[in-house]
Amino acid sequence: DAGITQSPRHKVTETGTPVTLRCHQTENHRYMYWYRQDPGHGLRLIHYSYGVKDTDKGEVSDGYSVSRSKTEDFLLTLESATSSQTSVYFCAISVGTDNSPLHFGNGTRLTVT
Amino acid sequence: GESVGLHLPTLSVQEGDNSIINCAYSNSASDYFIWYKQESGKGPQFIIDIRSNMDKRQGQRVTVLLNKTVKHLSLQIAATQPGDSAVYFCAEGLTGRRALTFGSGTRLQVQP
Repeated sequence: DAGITQSPRHKVTETGTPVTLRCHQTENHRYMYWYRQDPGHGLRLIHYSYGVKDTDKGEVSDGYSVSRSKTEDFLLTLESATSSQTSVYFCAISVGTDNSPLHFGNGTRLTVT
Repeated sequence: GESVGLHLPTLSVQEGDNSIINCAYSNSASDYFIWYKQESGKGPQFIIDIRSNMDKRQGQRVTVLLNKTVKHLSLQIAATQPGDSAVYFCAEGLTGRRALTFGSGTRLQVQP
């Protein structure tokens, strides 16, 4: 898991509530990513970060925000969760130079009821 | 990971046979390609990668083939083992853009 810890591993929440998922890395890598994984869609990029306080949107960023106040932590927030955000969320880091593989955490399964 | 299995194409092989998993990528400008393996309840795990200036790369029991003309990538697994049973994803990248774009995956089932 390349020193990546995601928390919580499982969460059930109600529609309209705020939810924050945490990704923690132990190796001080600059690039961090949040993906969601849904049947039939593979992994889709939500947001990514290229340094402390430097973030950018991915292809499915609507309804999500992120923050990176420390190198080791990348937070994903659903301000008002919806049922369409029920998914498995994966954090990833890039450990090398450009064109290098991403390394993933073990995911957070989020259910919005 | 369990929900990933729905709607996936499945390849079923006998233990000891060779497996070939195919992927069509979307962006003709992509210059970096990766194969990942994902087991139930876990995140994707890197297997092998290849850059666009190559058409073949070999690892331990795995080979990746790249055909840029038809935007096709394949993963060959030699002497497939029960531990190879998983979902396999291809991903494509582009120099200067750190994020990867993923395919929807193929489930490999190895029959003993």
